[in-house]
Amino acid sequence: GQQLNQSPQSMFIQEGEDVSMNCTSSSIFNTWLWYKQDPGEGPVLLIALYKAGELTSNGRLTAQFGITRKDSFLNISASIPSDVGIYFCAGSGRAGGTSYGKLTFGQGTILTVHP
Amino acid sequence: NAGVTQTPKFQVLKTGQSMTLQCAQDMNHEYMSWYRQDPGMGLRLIHYSVGAGITDQGEVPNGYNVSRSTTEDFPLRLLSAAPSQTSVYFCASTRQGAGGYTFGSGTRLTVV
Repeated sequence: GQQLNQSPQSMFIQEGEDVSMNCTSSSIFNTWLWYKQDPGEGPVLLIALYKAGELTSNGRLTAQFGITRKDSFLNISASIPSDVGIYFCAGSGRAGGTSYGKLTFGQGTILTVHP
Repeated sequence: NAGVTQTPKFQVLKTGQSMTLQCAQDMNHEYMSWYRQDPGMGLRLIHYSVGAGITDQGEVPNGYNVSRSTTEDFPLRLLSAAPSQTSVYFCASTRQGAGGYTFGSGTRLTVV
């Protein structure tokens, strides 16, 4: 079953506020990914993290790969209405296994931004 | 460059019917996968392939078959549809060694 625990499950914020969400795992992953899904569409890759401790930014988005490779967080600064959607974390390449090519997803965080 | 193309976008089946969900990518990606998305469950891996002629099971493979005869195509077959297979299905692809998959826009399947 699911091995990634993502929190919070949902967030209701005002435009301009900062957002933080995180993801933890019982397994070590070699790659952590953050995706955003708009209604009726497939997930779109936001940030990919490849090294433990890596901190990567993409515009107003910042994500970090935990030192233990079992967790990651995503921050969104100065939120805007188009940030609305579902955000997923995903792990790839589980250490010690043959899972390259497979993604394990968190349950998702539903973000609502009030103007 | 169309990316990952899924057809159909919507489908209604009766219990016991069979059908094939189509997926094609034009990026010469070696890896392709099928996921299903249910409310509150995130995306769960059904089957995946690391190259033509090579497929393997994911987390929820029962009731689904796949084959990969070409690099471009990765169809998903439902042999006898059940209401539990009502879901949104996503196909995705990536290059070998790349971290992130590119997803199609999904097929919304309802089994009645």
